[in-house]
Amino acid sequence: AQKITQTQPGMFVQEKEAVTLDCTYDTSDQSYGLFWYKQPSSGEMIFLIYQGSYDEQNATEGRYSLNFQKARKSANLVISASQLGDSAMYFCAMREGGGYQKVTFGIGTKLQVIP
Amino acid sequence: NAGVTQTPKFQVLKTGQSMTLQCAQDMNHNSMYWYRQDPGMGLRLIYYSASEGTTDKGEVPNGYNVSRLNKREFSLRLESAAPSQTSVYFCASSPRIKGQGPNSPLHFGNGTRLTVT
Repeated sequence: AQKITQTQPGMFVQEKEAVTLDCTYDTSDQSYGLFWYKQPSSGEMIFLIYQGSYDEQNATEGRYSLNFQKARKSANLVISASQLGDSAMYFCAMREGGGYQKVTFGIGTKLQVIP
Repeated sequence: NAGVTQTPKFQVLKTGQSMTLQCAQDMNHNSMYWYRQDPGMGLRLIYYSASEGTTDKGEVPNGYNVSRLNKREFSLRLESAAPSQTSVYFCASSPRIKGQGPNSPLHFGNGTRLTVT
């Protein structure tokens, strides 16, 4: 079974609009962490935002927010006021396990921002 | 700040050749990782090392070996390269912070693009 599921291979969004990228996860651990990374066409991996399983508030970092629904095991990334520079691959990831050393990634969503 | 440095950036191998991908980090991180990235498959964990002297298999360890030479360096070896190992390889590291839960993001190198013909 997939640990991290990203069901949107590609998404389009109009510049200045908001967009939600979906992520669901599977774990039996009570304590775990969820992350989102951005990979522009240049190839580097950029950390965007983190949500802990015990955090009561949804995480926010600038234009990025994480819509965390623990009962549904979903951790969707919301990008507000999209910019052309947001065009990239976006990966959801989960850290779990003893010592939280294992980090598993989803297959990613390619976001294209249209002028 | 160098962060995580991978060498080489590009490599072409013939089937059956061997090579070692090098990775070094200067952030005093305990944990290090090797991932491969293939189109449509995201990043898949090959091996990881929770601390100096320990290594563990990830999702796709077959055909690879690793060495955690010291706290800074974590190398990935292909003993007999196969075309199926054509991929982009990423090394990553993270701190291990006791008592603060799983909140440490991975810091990635810039990747090695490997082609096996």
